[in-house]
Amino acid sequence: NAGVTQTPKFRVLKTGQSMTLLCAQDMNHEYMYWYRQDPGMGLRLIHYSVGEGTTAKGEVPDGYNVSRLKKQNFLLGLESAAPSQTSVYFCASSYPPSTTEAFFGQGTRLTVV
Amino acid sequence: GENVEQHPSTLSVQEGDSAVIKCTYSDSASNYFPWYKQELGKGPQLIIDIRSNVGEKKDQRIAVTLNKTAKHFSLHITETQPEDSAVYFCAGYSGSARQLTFGSGTQLTVLP
Repeated sequence: NAGVTQTPKFRVLKTGQSMTLLCAQDMNHEYMYWYRQDPGMGLRLIHYSVGEGTTAKGEVPDGYNVSRLKKQNFLLGLESAAPSQTSVYFCASSYPPSTTEAFFGQGTRLTVV
Repeated sequence: GENVEQHPSTLSVQEGDSAVIKCTYSDSASNYFPWYKQELGKGPQLIIDIRSNVGEKKDQRIAVTLNKTAKHFSLHITETQPEDSAVYFCAGYSGSARQLTFGSGTQLTVLP
């Protein structure tokens, strides 16, 4: 049982480059989330999805785009990376409110130079 | 939207002592409050949660209390052990907003 898998685990980008982070879950969860974790600031929600084909903005969406074309996958895109996007990114998935435990991936450490 | 504040940001206790971490939330519609433990280099993992119709929940050495009137909830760890050292996050979930909002985290260090 893989749970939530994030790809890649580490990445270094140059300012202005683009990349896509992939999150895959095998638990048939409806909800998926992308968070960024910065020292002293906890986990801040970037974008989330409550079902296939739907996406919504979280607390810090600027500079990011997402897509949920398949239920099991949630993609986070950076079109033009900036040093301020240096962070650890976590994906999570869960069922709707009746069972709300969120399962997290192992994280992607992104450095923008 | 929901705002979750967590205190303290760092906490050191002697092995065997108790640790308490406190959180407050702003959205009265929030009805689910999980606590996550994050070990170095790993993703957060759920350790205990509480729903708004319950005031207290225990699981071995871990307990969570919820005061809906005051909008605060707390994590209590008794008989702490070195393996309890980690970062702990509280969170609040609003069914209407469908967002899980996290506090800023507490670095717990259990000293042998």
